[in-house]
Amino acid sequence: QVQLQESDPGLVKPSQTLSLTCTVSGASINSGGHYWSWFRQLPGKGLEWIGYIYYSGSTYYTPSLEIRLSISIEASKNQFSLKLSSVTAADTAIYYCARNLLGSDVFDIWGQGTMVIVSS
Amino acid sequence: VLMQSPGTLSLSPGERATLSCRASQIVNNNYLAWYQQKIGQAPRLLIYIASRRATGIPDRFSGSGSGTDFTLTISRLEPEDFAVYYCQQYGSSPLTFGGGTKVEIK
Repeated sequence: QVQLQESDPGLVKPSQTLSLTCTVSGASINSGGHYWSWFRQLPGKGLEWIGYIYYSGSTYYTPSLEIRLSISIEASKNQFSLKLSSVTAADTAIYYCARNLLGSDVFDIWGQGTMVIVSS
Repeated sequence: VLMQSPGTLSLSPGERATLSCRASQIVNNNYLAWYQQKIGQAPRLLIYIASRRATGIPDRFSGSGSGTDFTLTISRLEPEDFAVYYCQQYGSSPLTFGGGTKVEIK
């Protein structure tokens, strides 16, 4: 079955760039129709959609993060990645990668999540 | 904005749970989904297009509503249903989530 696994950057210093990778297994990231997405959940809070990338490379970002955000695909490794620049403590969260249900902007396949702490 | 109520629902196994999600503007095409999240786990898709159950979701979970008012009903709570539930709209960009309803054991 399809599985997603986030990398584990652990601690990131303020003002640096957070880099996360999601490795996809059980399916090709180039399979048509799917969006590959990032979400986050601040400590004790609800869910926030960050953005997604289509298999063709088109990207869609949430406006509040767009200026600091980049999502890309590395098809040869069956991975997609997130880079968030100029991080602050407010970016401390659990980050999830996910895949959409075909034809819809809902997400039925999720990674287990990775905790990212922004601290000096 | 999606407002979920109540914030916490205290019920016993076997009881019926009714969770509300109210949108500040009409959700286009009733593109409203519900997720379940347990501690330490990723969200699990339950319902989409307001009332369609996702694959493998038991029929005790049902969704209803349209426009701005939506409801998730769990007909008879099982022990594994005690969790936090989120609604998500995808009728307009950006995708947004409600603040969640915690269903706890009374």
